[in-house]
Amino acid sequence: GAGVSQSPRYKVAKRGQDVALRCDPISGHVSLFWYQQALGQGPEFLTYFQNEAQLDKSGLPSDRFFAERPEGSVSTLKIQRTQQEDSAVYLCAGGDPPTDTQYFGPGTRLTVL
Amino acid sequence: DAKTTQPPSMDCAEGRAANLPCNHSTISGNEYVYWYRQIHSQGPQYIIHGLKNNETNEMASLIITEDRKSSTLILPHATLRDTAVYYCIAGFMTTDSWGKLQFGAGTQVVVTP
Repeated sequence: GAGVSQSPRYKVAKRGQDVALRCDPISGHVSLFWYQQALGQGPEFLTYFQNEAQLDKSGLPSDRFFAERPEGSVSTLKIQRTQQEDSAVYLCAGGDPPTDTQYFGPGTRLTVL
Repeated sequence: DAKTTQPPSMDCAEGRAANLPCNHSTISGNEYVYWYRQIHSQGPQYIIHGLKNNETNEMASLIITEDRKSSTLILPHATLRDTAVYYCIAGFMTTDSWGKLQFGAGTQVVVTP
């Protein structure tokens, strides 16, 4: 595809459910970032992959959040036992150092009831 | 990463130049200034970045003061499609760190006919 795709675009979960959010980056992009964007705020960094290696997960808010990128392309962000405060848009971005341009997907809007 | 300060909102008339200010008084010598924008319900879009020289591309111009404590993004001929939240970010190149972006609240720009 021409850009970064994310699925699903919208997800409604009941509190306590597990969810999995998928990111398909642009083919060949080495770097992959996940960000969380609460309503009315700027995106906040969650985690970073370089190929399949997760090099920075300092932004993950709790151990309920887990991300993987096993083959260095598609990535999945998993949230276990969702809470209402997890409601946000989850953005994925890819890039190819050292150009430093990050290409963002459209995001997945998660609503936890 | 250095903190940036932007006005929360500004209006611009269609066809006129839009000048978006950003203060980054604590920026360090090897931190770049990045600009992204986010149109409603989309992921952020890269606009431009620079270190100390002024930069121009097909979307915008970036003017950085000599002391690097502030910068201005210039949209030369604003159109209605430029209505978006504009983020000014100070950060490191991916060759120096992961290149993760620390977004603030940004400036909501509304272009009016």
